Amino acid sequence: GENVEQHPSTLSVQEGDSAVIKCTYSDSASNYFPWYKQELGKRPQLIIDIRSNVGEKKDQRIAVTLNKTAKHFSLHITETQPEDSAVYFCAASFYNDYKLSFGAGTTVTVRA
Amino acid sequence: DTGVSQNPRHKITKRGQNVTFRCDPISEHNRLYWYRQTLGQGPEFLTYFQNEAQLEKSRLLSDRFSAERPKGSFSTLEIQRTEQGDSAMYLCASSPTGRGSYEQYFGPGTRLTVT
Repeated sequence: GENVEQHPSTLSVQEGDSAVIKCTYSDSASNYFPWYKQELGKRPQLIIDIRSNVGEKKDQRIAVTLNKTAKHFSLHITETQPEDSAVYFCAASFYNDYKLSFGAGTTVTVRA
Repeated sequence: DTGVSQNPRHKITKRGQNVTFRCDPISEHNRLYWYRQTLGQGPEFLTYFQNEAQLEKSRLLSDRFSAERPKGSFSTLEIQRTEQGDSAMYLCASSPTGRGSYEQYFGPGTRLTVT
């Protein structure tokens, strides 16, 4: 099955700086890569996703890049704010399978 | 609230008891998923339904676990003879079936504590 590794496990950044989280996946058939944000005690919230026919996608301060050859994808958060503090999970799946395989998560702390 | 809902939000049970959780997906979402999340880990896939058909089960889903979605709307997850290792957050998610629709939207989860 798919194996997703996520780094780093914790990330502390100064408010206004950028944060980058990286994930690698094992199954070259995977072609859908969502990112979720989970605040303490809350549900995982889909914040952005990317499909294999696209190399980069942006939505305001967040962006995701995908390198299918190297089998890795990354989340970039620019101009970080205290409300960006949360656990972020990457995941992977392929279209006909639907189930998501998640990374172990990155705890992001934005220092004011 | 038109999002995915789950009940109960918390459940404390003694080892050996049976428990049942309910998930109500977003209206008109045909696919429904169950995941389990333990502290410090990402969600792990358990099973999923398309309408009332259970299409895949993870090997994590032992024979003590059973899930149903009898009318293709809400779903239940039952754990029989609970063990302490079953303590976790049980998350439900749903997604639409339309072509190109892969986004999964999660409910708030049911936190199970087995004592």
